[in-house]
Amino acid sequence: QQQVKQSPQSLIVQKGGIPIINCAYENTAFDYFPWYQQFPGKGPALLIAIRPDVSEKKEGRFTISFNKSAKQFSLHIMDSQPGDSATYFCAASSYYGGSQGNLIFGKGTKLSVKP
Amino acid sequence: DSGVTQTPKHLITATGQRVTLRCSPRSGDLSVYWYQQSLDQGLQFLIQYYNGEERAKGNILERFSAQQFPDLHSELNLSSLELGDSALYFCASSVGGTGGSVQYFGPGTRLTVT
Repeated sequence: QQQVKQSPQSLIVQKGGIPIINCAYENTAFDYFPWYQQFPGKGPALLIAIRPDVSEKKEGRFTISFNKSAKQFSLHIMDSQPGDSATYFCAASSYYGGSQGNLIFGKGTKLSVKP
Repeated sequence: DSGVTQTPKHLITATGQRVTLRCSPRSGDLSVYWYQQSLDQGLQFLIQYYNGEERAKGNILERFSAQQFPDLHSELNLSSLELGDSALYFCASSVGGTGGSVQYFGPGTRLTVT
């Protein structure tokens, strides 16, 4: 079944903390895993993405960890700031298209970073 | 600003009515996607067009239809509206049409059906 399961649904951390958001997928045809960030009243925006040939990818304070055998991936936000407060969505697709070529999104995690 | 524009920003209509949502993709992008976002279902992919042709269909109801015009803008038509159709509708665009293409989302249209 085409599904991406995301947890937790919501997360509250103090400034400087490291929130971790987890996602799991079932379809082995997925080989592209982006994370999107959405602020209230705005559309989602691509934050960072990973493909299964690497187990970790860092861009600034954002890191994706990927475990191919477990079919899980996670987002870590280092030194989190109040400005990171947003809803984060993981997603999965087949990179080159085909029947799984469309992004399947997790249900989102609402992150609140307290000052 | 993603470069994707959507109109209108808000739409309030009654059950049974028909509405049209409009999307203009980023300059140079050939692919347009439509998504529905609701609190309980999250972001649901509806349909994708690539250079005027339908590329993929997701969880789109038969009451809904879309098209992409020669100038690459797209319209999503929602008919026989029900209360449950109230949601945020997002359009996204990308240069390519495959799963690895970066999608840029518009600001959305909030539809309220009363």
